[in-house]
Amino acid sequence: AQSVAQPEDQVNVAEGNPLTVKCTYSVSGNPYLFWYVQYPNRGLQFLLKYITGDNLVKGSYGFEAEFNKSQTSFHLKKPSALVSDSALYFCAVRDRADSSYKLIFGSGTRLLVRP
Amino acid sequence: DGGITQSPKYLFRKEGQNVTLSCEQNLNHDAMYWYRQDPGQGLRLIYYSQIVNDFQKGDIAEGYSVSREKKESFPLTVTSAQKNPTAFYLCASRLAGTGGHQPQHFGDGTRLSIL
Repeated sequence: AQSVAQPEDQVNVAEGNPLTVKCTYSVSGNPYLFWYVQYPNRGLQFLLKYITGDNLVKGSYGFEAEFNKSQTSFHLKKPSALVSDSALYFCAVRDRADSSYKLIFGSGTRLLVRP
Repeated sequence: DGGITQSPKYLFRKEGQNVTLSCEQNLNHDAMYWYRQDPGQGLRLIYYSQIVNDFQKGDIAEGYSVSREKKESFPLTVTSAQKNPTAFYLCASRLAGTGGHQPQHFGDGTRLSIL
């Protein structure tokens, strides 16, 4: 069965410091991996995705994510956090062999960037 | 601007009442999805549709129904059989036929509460 784990309910970081939001996944085949961000009372916004190739993926708003196949991880990173990055972040996975094209979401990690 | 419109933003349901949540997209996307979001649980898939006049149950379909009569529209009915309907409901769409890695795009949600 496919699953996604976001082990931290909340991540706290000071503005200007680097941030990491962790994600590990489990799929039977090869994954497509996604990160989304959600602001209060809004839908999810797509940040970036991993398809194949380079393990470091760059996305919107200065975010990037590192795919690690041996550790089955896809951690979200940003070199310098902004207060406006404070939001709820979701990791999602799709097994390429799954013809339903369903996404499996993690439970979310709340990022709080303090001034 | 292209996007996904969900209405209403807030909805209240009385006991024994069915309510319908609207989702309309002008992105010309083939696939559409309904998710339920509860605090601390991430997103759970209710129903999805990959083409007009066809839809499949997701992980928590009991107490819900959908229709897909037009490509642009995918309304969700929360029936009286759904005993715990209070949640944030998100509609999403995706461009199909492009390798399966296209991200889902989300509306801004409908918050449903019980009166």
